[in-house]
Amino acid sequence: QLQLQESGPGLVKPSETLSLTCTVSGGSISSNIYQWGWIRQPPGKGLEWIGSIYHSGSTYYNPSLKSRVTISVDTSKNHFSLKLSSVTAADTAVYYCARHSTVFPFDYWGQGTLVTVSS
Amino acid sequence: SSELTQDPAVSVALGQTVRITCQGDSLRSYYANWYQQKPGQAPILVIYGKNNRPSGIPDRFSGSSSGNTGSLTITGAQAEDEADYYCNSRDSSGDHPWVFGGGTKLTVL
Repeated sequence: QLQLQESGPGLVKPSETLSLTCTVSGGSISSNIYQWGWIRQPPGKGLEWIGSIYHSGSTYYNPSLKSRVTISVDTSKNHFSLKLSSVTAADTAVYYCARHSTVFPFDYWGQGTLVTVSS
Repeated sequence: SSELTQDPAVSVALGQTVRITCQGDSLRSYYANWYQQKPGQAPILVIYGKNNRPSGIPDRFSGSSSGNTGSLTITGAQAEDEADYYCNSRDSSGDHPWVFGGGTKLTVL
C-alpha cells in the first residue's frame, strides 16, 4: 500500500523559507507513470495546488506561486521536497503531498502537516 | 488561469439524491474529478475521469459532465457522506496546471 508522509517545521517566521519533505513508502518515486505534487489548505478554506514534479526533476507550478516555489526530488531517498520563500501569514496552511499522473488525479495523499507562519 | 466554481453549501435528506456541481471553462476540455474531505482528514478521491470510482468507493457516487459543468451525484445519501466536496481538473491554459474548486459543504439532514 502506497503511503506518503510529510515532514518539516510546523512554525516558520515571516520572510523566511518554508521547507517540507514528502517521503514515499510502499512504492517507487521513480515510476514513469506518476508525478508528485504539493497542495495546501489554509485553515477553514479550500484546496490550492502548489506544484508538481516528475521523477526526472521536471517541474510545473501554480502561476500564482511560481516566483516563490521550488520543488525537487531525491530518487535515492524516495522523497520529494517543497521550498516556499518569503512566507507571510497568508501561507499558513495544512500542506499535503500527493501522487497523480497526467491522466489520473490525486489518488494517494499524505495526512498533511500544519505550517504556521508567525514571529 | 481558469477557475472552478462550486456552491458553498448543499443539503440533502437522508436517503435522497443530491447533485453537487462545478463550473469552469477548463471543464470544456477536461473532466472534473471529485474529492471528499471530512474534518481533520486528507481528501479522498471519489470520482475521476468520465465517471470512474476508485476501489472502495460506494456505487452511490457517480459523475457526469455537460458543457462547462461537471456534477457529482450521490444517490441515496448516507449520514457518513456529510463532508466537504471539491472538484478539480487540469487547467486548459498555459502549462496545464491543476485547479481546484472552492468546495461544497454537504449536510445530510
